[in-house]
Amino acid sequence: DAGVIQSPRHEVTEMGQEVTLRCKPISGHNSLFWYRQTMMRGLELLIYFNNNVPIDDSGMPEDRFSAKMPNASFSTLKIQPSEPRDSAVYFCASRRAGPYTQYFGPGTRLTVL
Amino acid sequence: DQQVKQNSPSLSVQEGRISILNCDYTNSMFDYFLWYKKYPAEGPTFLISISSIKDKNEDGRFTVFLNKSAKHLSLHIVPSQPGDSAVYFCAASVNAGNMLTFGGGTRLMVKP
Repeated sequence: DAGVIQSPRHEVTEMGQEVTLRCKPISGHNSLFWYRQTMMRGLELLIYFNNNVPIDDSGMPEDRFSAKMPNASFSTLKIQPSEPRDSAVYFCASRRAGPYTQYFGPGTRLTVL
Repeated sequence: DQQVKQNSPSLSVQEGRISILNCDYTNSMFDYFLWYKKYPAEGPTFLISISSIKDKNEDGRFTVFLNKSAKHLSLHIVPSQPGDSAVYFCAASVNAGNMLTFGGGTRLMVKP
């Protein structure tokens, strides 16, 4: 069974450009999470969805960040415009309903020049 | 304000010996705790968890201990193996819910 799939694995872009990160959760999982990992703040939750509906986006740093989940098998995290301080590793995770473990994807390493 | 803290950024252990990784939390509402392991260029991988109704959970070489009065948990790895070298994160949630709060991680190095 395939795990959580993220693309691209690496993204290098220039300040001001739009960046879109993609995630395919594990089939059958109904919760999806976006995390960001930085040296300063560690691993922090940005937003999560239950059954494709955004439940808590309090971790989204500012309006430049947006996330969507149009269906159960796909989600995007968009940054527009991007800034150098957005450089980080972005992880997507998913889990089944209930108190179950979150399974993480391999991450997207974003570098904004 | 860090609600979950791992005060040791790194730990070095000899192969075959015990590794003990520590984690402290401040939010008394946390009732479900997890440990994740992370290798470079990979996402965190679930290792073991414990509910607040227990004080110990064991899975093979890995044991997690929870001391609720001290708001402290620890992960014991016995015996340690070189393949255990990774960054270990503890995480906590309220009502075993969706929102995990992670510690800053401890880098474990197991020397052959």
